[in-house]
Amino acid sequence: GAGVSQTPSNKVTEKGKYVELRCDPISGHTALYWYRQSLGQGPEFLIYFQGTGAADDSGLPNDRFFAVRPEGSVSTLKIQRTERGDSAVYLCASSSGQPGELFFGEGSRLTVL
Amino acid sequence: GENVEQHPSTLSVQEGDSAVIKCTYSDSASNYFPWYKQELGKRPQLIIDIRSNVGEKKDQRIAVTLNKTAKHFSLHITETQPEDSAVYFCAAAKRGNQFYFGTGTSLTVIP
Repeated sequence: GAGVSQTPSNKVTEKGKYVELRCDPISGHTALYWYRQSLGQGPEFLIYFQGTGAADDSGLPNDRFFAVRPEGSVSTLKIQRTERGDSAVYLCASSSGQPGELFFGEGSRLTVL
Repeated sequence: GENVEQHPSTLSVQEGDSAVIKCTYSDSASNYFPWYKQELGKRPQLIIDIRSNVGEKKDQRIAVTLNKTAKHFSLHITETQPEDSAVYFCAAAKRGNQFYFGTGTSLTVIP
């Protein structure tokens, strides 16, 4: 596609529920990143995929968070048993695989009530 | 892992003045240093970047300098305009594409 697409743009859920956030990167981009951004903060690294595999998942805060990229394109970030502290904007970015420009999506704003 | 620190957290300048934002990093293996601008409610967008084999890069009113020895890099915006008002993030990355971001600087340009 023309840019990085994220769905949903907004998600409101109740504490304890399961949530999936989807990212469709720029076609051909091998590297895909998930970041979490709280109000007034910089993007906080969660996980990075190179192709289908998670090259670095050291930023995932705990085992309630999981992400997949089964075919090396679309990625899904999964959050189990959501907590109010999970509320944030979840940003996805992709790049061509060199240390180079990250192209960000518009983000998915998650609100856990 | 990498630790990127950014200062100041907020910056106000008069229109036409210059603005400088500074970042430090900890991992000497980092070799790519981009700067992103994020307007309220929008996605971060790259405005300028520099690689470790270069000390300075300029693009019109925006310039970035890098001091590898001291592990710091800076963003310089000259002749600031109200549309420059936004939050600016620095980042450091290395081979293997691991990017780490600073905490951001909220720049306000006063007309």
